Amino acid sequence: NAGVTQTPKFQVLKTGQSMTLQCAQDMNHNSMYWYRQDPGMGLRLIYYSASEGTTDKGEVPNGYNVSRLNKREFSLRLESAAPSQTSVYFCASSEFFGGVNYGYTFGSGTRLTVV
Amino acid sequence: GDSVTQMEGPVTLSEEAFLTINCTYTATGYPSLFWYVQYPGEGLQLLLKATKADDKGSNKGFEATYRKETTSFHLEKGSVQVSDSAVYFCALSDRGSQGNLIFGKGTKLSVKP
Repeated sequence: NAGVTQTPKFQVLKTGQSMTLQCAQDMNHNSMYWYRQDPGMGLRLIYYSASEGTTDKGEVPNGYNVSRLNKREFSLRLESAAPSQTSVYFCASSEFFGGVNYGYTFGSGTRLTVV
Repeated sequence: GDSVTQMEGPVTLSEEAFLTINCTYTATGYPSLFWYVQYPGEGLQLLLKATKADDKGSNKGFEATYRKETTSFHLEKGSVQVSDSAVYFCALSDRGSQGNLIFGKGTKLSVKP
């Protein structure tokens, strides 16, 4: 099925450990995004990539790094995990042209717990 | 900056009741507006959208009209079902936000049989 695939679905880390969340889309979208979702906070943008080879910070980038490996793949890395990074992480992709965003397609999420 | 405000939940309705979830926005330009739905344990799915003033988005019995004069995009459904129980997010995309979607905090809807 066409869409956005995220791995892993669940992860438990100890404080200070590192990990990379993987995301791939097969819709040939230019733009990709990483959000985190916390209770009562809605979705907050961590990083985004408007096109292959470019990345930019969103609202809450501290403690994260990203790589736009190619047009399909956009990974999110936690270098030294902290309990405050316990959250559900969503990757999304979209087509954005002519100043109009035509809507995101989301992955199913990664539930991360840092102990 | 751009922002989205939607009614706080949770909202609890009986099956076949009428649903309204209010959403208002602040934007510097002429945004596109969206409603997303999130079922338990899943990612967000696009429910409907409108890209210009007076447009009506509709899908699965849900509707929302882009009202520029009141900066609103309220979600409505005439007769809800138990299967509509989910969290609903209003969002906007504006040139001022480089096209990124800005989300409201979500409204949880529970429909009782």
